[in-house]
Amino acid sequence: GENVEQHPSTLSVQEGDSAVIKCTYSDSASNYFPWYKQELGKRPQLIIDIRSNVGEKKDQRIAVTLNKTAKHFSLHITETQPEDSAVYFCAAKGPKWGPTGTASKLTFGTGTRLQVTL
Amino acid sequence: DTEVTQTPKHLVMGMTNKKSLKCEQHMGHRAMYWYKQSAKKPLELMFVYNFKEQTENNSVPSRFSPECPNSSHLFLHLHTLQPEDSALYLCASSGRGTSGRETQYFGPGTRLLVL
Repeated sequence: GENVEQHPSTLSVQEGDSAVIKCTYSDSASNYFPWYKQELGKRPQLIIDIRSNVGEKKDQRIAVTLNKTAKHFSLHITETQPEDSAVYFCAAKGPKWGPTGTASKLTFGTGTRLQVTL
Repeated sequence: DTEVTQTPKHLVMGMTNKKSLKCEQHMGHRAMYWYKQSAKKPLELMFVYNFKEQTENNSVPSRFSPECPNSSHLFLHLHTLQPEDSALYLCASSGRGTSGRETQYFGPGTRLLVL
């Protein structure tokens, strides 16, 4: 099955600096890579995702890059703010499956605790 | 309705108790999931249901028993749990989000403490 590794496990940056979180995956058939942000005491929420036919995607201060050949993808946060402090999870999804092809089993990384200091 | 809801928010139970966790979504999603989140394994998939059929049981002990009566509701029945089962239990459902692709949406979780 799929295996997703995520680094670093903790990351501390000063406000205004950039933060980069990296993930690798093992299954070359994986084709969808979402990133979730989980603030303390709250549910994981999708912040950005990328499909395997795209190399980069941006949404304001966050961007995700994907290298299919090397099987790794990264989350980039620029101009970090204290409210970016949270645990970030990467995930990888293989081709659709299930009786009607609608289930999506995500394999998650172990998370990165980002702390943005003033 | 664009949310996954879970009840209760918090649950304290003894090892001999029987309790149930409930998850609900009305987004028309056909797949629903139970995850266990603890310090040791941040997001551990337990069960997957697709169109009310269980399609994955990730080697979960039988003291956890899922039930999916319809595609909007998912339950996790708990009995004779162990203290190491204390964790946050997250429910999720999947369907096409704004990206137009299968995206999992999480509920707020039930914080379980087994004494």
